[in-house]
Amino acid sequence: KAGVTQTPRYLIKTRGQQVTLSCSPISGHRSVSWYQQTPGQGLQFLFEYFSETQRNKGNFPGRFSGRQFSNSRSEMNVSTLELGDSALYLCASSLDPSRGPPTDTQYFGPGTRLTVL
Amino acid sequence: GQSLEQPSEVTAVEGAIVQINCTYQTSGFYGLSWYQQHDGGAPTFLSYNALDGLEETGRFSSFLSRSDSYGYLLLQELQMKDSASYFCAVRGITGGGNKLTFGTGTQLKVEL
Repeated sequence: KAGVTQTPRYLIKTRGQQVTLSCSPISGHRSVSWYQQTPGQGLQFLFEYFSETQRNKGNFPGRFSGRQFSNSRSEMNVSTLELGDSALYLCASSLDPSRGPPTDTQYFGPGTRLTVL
Repeated sequence: GQSLEQPSEVTAVEGAIVQINCTYQTSGFYGLSWYQQHDGGAPTFLSYNALDGLEETGRFSSFLSRSDSYGYLLLQELQMKDSASYFCAVRGITGGGNKLTFGTGTQLKVEL
């Protein structure tokens, strides 16, 4: 089974621009979560989507948004980019969290490295 | 809220055994997970403890004690390729969804 894929792998933007990142989960997985990883803050939860609905959201400003499509693929968007948004953005998918462990185990994609200049 | 603390760095020699601890404060969670992340790579799932006790997967074992708010990852027969960062993580019961809260991470350095 193919793993979680993310595109693009690397991205360079300038302050004020917006960016869209894409994530394709493992086939059959319905939950997609997004995380931001920085050296200073570690791995932080952004949001989770399940069956096209956002079920949970982390403590990030409204500039960060996302959506999920009917095929479970997900996108996240960051508008009005700031220097501090430079990070590795990771997507993770899981089978069905509502059924509890171990179906809630999250499997991560390779990430998108975003650099904001 | 939830917080998980780990030692920032651990160093061990090839062939040895190393234990990476994770102490947590949480109002309730489904289980404790462990992830490995090599530099520039994605976190890779290693182990999961839903119940107290020891789970063994090859050279890796993980332990959970809810009464002590403590868990650890044990790596045996260390190899150079085990040099990586290791994170513990929990999925909280409150708030719903599938949000993982990660620990501060431990960088493991394996030396010859």
